[in-house]
Amino acid sequence: DQQVKQNSPSLSVQEGRISILNCDYTNSMFDYFLWYKKYPAEGPTFLISISSIKDKNEDGRFTVFLNKSAKHLSLHIVPSQPGDSAVYFCAASSQGGSEKLVFGKGTKLTVNP
Amino acid sequence: ETGVTQTPRHLVMGMTNKKSLKCEQHLGHNAMYWYKQSAKKPLELMFVYNFKEQTENNSVPSRFSPECPNSSHLFLHLHTLQPEDSALYLCASSQTVAYNEQFFGPGTRLTVL
Repeated sequence: DQQVKQNSPSLSVQEGRISILNCDYTNSMFDYFLWYKKYPAEGPTFLISISSIKDKNEDGRFTVFLNKSAKHLSLHIVPSQPGDSAVYFCAASSQGGSEKLVFGKGTKLTVNP
Repeated sequence: ETGVTQTPRHLVMGMTNKKSLKCEQHLGHNAMYWYKQSAKKPLELMFVYNFKEQTENNSVPSRFSPECPNSSHLFLHLHTLQPEDSALYLCASSQTVAYNEQFFGPGTRLTVL
């Protein structure tokens, strides 16, 4: 059974608008969450993370929101740019991130010019 | 070369072949990892090495045999694979075993005929 779910395999957004990527998890022991970005023919690269002691973390155009009661997190990209087109993976860990990561299947984001 | 490199980038092999995947990291890290990403499945951890010693085997079949001769190099030896082993194999490294601080290579796309 999947512990980390990204229910939208793909998302298409217009340049300049907001992109919202969603992730749900089932394991209440998860307390550290990460987003990775992957371009074709490249490995995943770390984008942003959040600890369960926070409900929001922001880095430039990227903001991650965590709703612990709903076991849900989301990544907001504002404004979206064509270069943001990639596959985005959500990952979760326990013990403050010291345990192995459990990944979602990914959401392919396409930002149209 | 910088970061984490993997060779070959693409590999096609028959079920009776023996082949090896190579990973090299140029980051001075001490921990290295093998991950597998099958089609429409999440990224899954296979093996972890720390200072050349295997610290985790995530119930991987014995037809996959890892080798870590030093902290910079990691191999995955393949023999008598099955078509369902076709996947993207990703290598990653980190300073110590820290799942939330991994740098990934570009991966080897393996096809087993």
